[in-house]
Parts: sequence; C-alpha cells; structure tokens
Amino acid sequence: SSELTQDPAVSVALGQTVRITCQGDSLRSYYATWYQQRPGQAPLLVIYGQSNRPSGIPGRFSASSSGDTASLTITGAQAEDEADYYCNSRDNNGNPVFGGGTRLTVL
Amino acid sequence: QEQLQQWGGGLLKPSETLSLTCAVYGGSFSGFHWSWIRQSPGKGLEWIGEIDDRGSIKYNPSLKSRLTMSLDTSKNQFFLKMRSVTAADTAVYYCAKLSAGLFYYMDVWGKGTTVTVSS
Repeated sequence: SSELTQDPAVSVALGQTVRITCQGDSLRSYYATWYQQRPGQAPLLVIYGQSNRPSGIPGRFSASSSGDTASLTITGAQAEDEADYYCNSRDNNGNPVFGGGTRLTVL
Repeated sequence: QEQLQQWGGGLLKPSETLSLTCAVYGGSFSGFHWSWIRQSPGKGLEWIGEIDDRGSIKYNPSLKSRLTMSLDTSKNQFFLKMRSVTAADTAVYYCAKLSAGLFYYMDVWGKGTTVTVSS
C-alpha cells in the first residue's frame, strides 16, 4: 500500500512531550519528511531525512523511525507548536504521498 | 532568501482550464525539482506533480490526463495547467521547491493561491 496513516488529532500539555506517528509500508524504504501547517499558512518543513532540521526549526523537534512507522517528537511543546502536522514519503512508483495530517492541540 | 511567488487561478467555471505560474526568486533554478501540491478545503495535502530543471515531469496518476507542467528557465518560472476543472478541483494550490537527492523534501513553498470552481 502507498498510503500513510496518521492519527487525526493529538493533544499535549504545555511543556510536555508529544509524539505524532505516521504508518505506511513505504516507510520501510524511505524516510518520512514532516511538515507543520498553521491555519491559513503554507506548510513548513520541520524534519527531513533521519532527523534533520532546517535552519530556524527549534531543537525540540526530532524524528525517529521503526519498521513501517515514523514518528515526530516535540520535546517541551510550546503554544506556537499548535498546528497540523503532515508526514510525507514516496509510494511504490517513487511519487510523493502525504499522510492525512494530525492536528496538534497544546493545552 | 529564496522565495516562490505564485499567481493565477481564482474563480473558474466547470470545464475551464486552470493556469498557475510560480516564480523562483533569490535562489538557483538548476539542480532542483519544482512541485505543485494542492489542499482542498478542510482536507490534507495532495501532490499534483513535479518538473525538474531539465523538463522531466512526473504527474499524479489520478490527475495526469488533465495536466500539463512546463518551465521557463530564462525566467526562473514553472507552470501548471489543469484542463476540464470541476468543483472537486477547488483548493489552495501551492508551488514548492523539491530537493530530491539523498533526502526528499520540499523546503521552500509559495504562499498558495486559491482556486474556486463554480458555475
């Protein structure tokens, strides 16, 4: 299957740690890429590769992977982290595929 | 700082052709792939297609029959045309720079342009 499955919604208390997961067969072959999207804004790259952060992305964002599941972890979540998070990988034809997105609420 | 500026779209009638342009400022056009992604209202992201700086193209199979992507390297611009639009094509359309080397990621995005298809 080329689909990526994410939990629709996750919540975390301010300052606590949250893990957002993404499951799909393609993740056995490809790293997941993670994007943050705040309301009304374009997606923002937060993690690529094994756990690489672009310039400007805080160190509290990290990623890991095991088998068919990739995870984005936010250690010490902040109010500004409240957003939708999308994982992205490739299907069997090498075409990009996105997960359905996870809405993160910071309580 | 590299920026993508996009324009086009707007309000279309069913069966019309959607035309979008994305211009690359402050960065190299060469050596990268250039993508189109859309997001229907309240929905997730959908990859539309990508074109590299040599003009090699990949389309989403579900949209391929209606798509044409192209580029103008002299202007650092790339283009999307989608024929025979329907209400299902109503979405925010984004252009993005895609790095497709060792890792695969879109690190620069346009702000998005809204396309509404309605009679």
